[in-house]
Amino acid sequence: EAGVAQSPRYKIIEKRQSVAFWCNPISGHATLYWYQQILGQGPKLLIQFQNNGVVDDSQLPKDRFSAERLKGVDSTLKIQPAKLEDSAVYLCASSSLGGRGNEKLFFGSGTQLSVL
Amino acid sequence: GENVEQHPSTLSVQEGDSAVIKCTYSDSASNYFPWYKQELGKGPQLIIDIRSNVGEKKDQRIAVTLNKTAKHFSLHITETQPEDSAVYFCAAAYNDMRFGAGTRLTVKP
Repeated sequence: EAGVAQSPRYKIIEKRQSVAFWCNPISGHATLYWYQQILGQGPKLLIQFQNNGVVDDSQLPKDRFSAERLKGVDSTLKIQPAKLEDSAVYLCASSSLGGRGNEKLFFGSGTQLSVL
Repeated sequence: GENVEQHPSTLSVQEGDSAVIKCTYSDSASNYFPWYKQELGKGPQLIIDIRSNVGEKKDQRIAVTLNKTAKHFSLHITETQPEDSAVYFCAAAYNDMRFGAGTRLTVKP
């Protein structure tokens, strides 16, 4: 079984530039999550999708971050414009159950973003 | 919202010794408590989990205990091996999952 795929693996940009991350979840997983992991901290939920609908985006900085999952499969997370404090690893995760949040998550390897 | 605290932040043990990592949570509604292992350059991987109707769960060298009254849960790794070296995260979940800050475990050969 293929795992959660993410790209790119690394990205370096200057502040105020824009960047996009892509995620393809495990086949058949209806729920998709984007997490931000700042160095030395645990993952923090940014947004949760159930199929192509948003379940929870309460911690997403909506003035600069956006995400979509148009066909209920893969997803894109965008930052525009980026700030220095956005430097982090962006993790995508998926799960096969109902998306209540209390279930096993499968994580991708993440995209490491450096904002200079 | 839920707040999860994890201790210690770093832990160094000798190969063959046991390692214990402790977490506390604030939301009494939380009913799912997973532990994830994250190796360098990889995403977190679930190693064991426990639900609120169970007090203890064991899987080979790994065990987790849960005390719902005190709102704390612990990860126990016995007979540690160098390949156990990684960062371990606890989490607590009801409607969403909140992670602790992580424990960097180093197992010295």
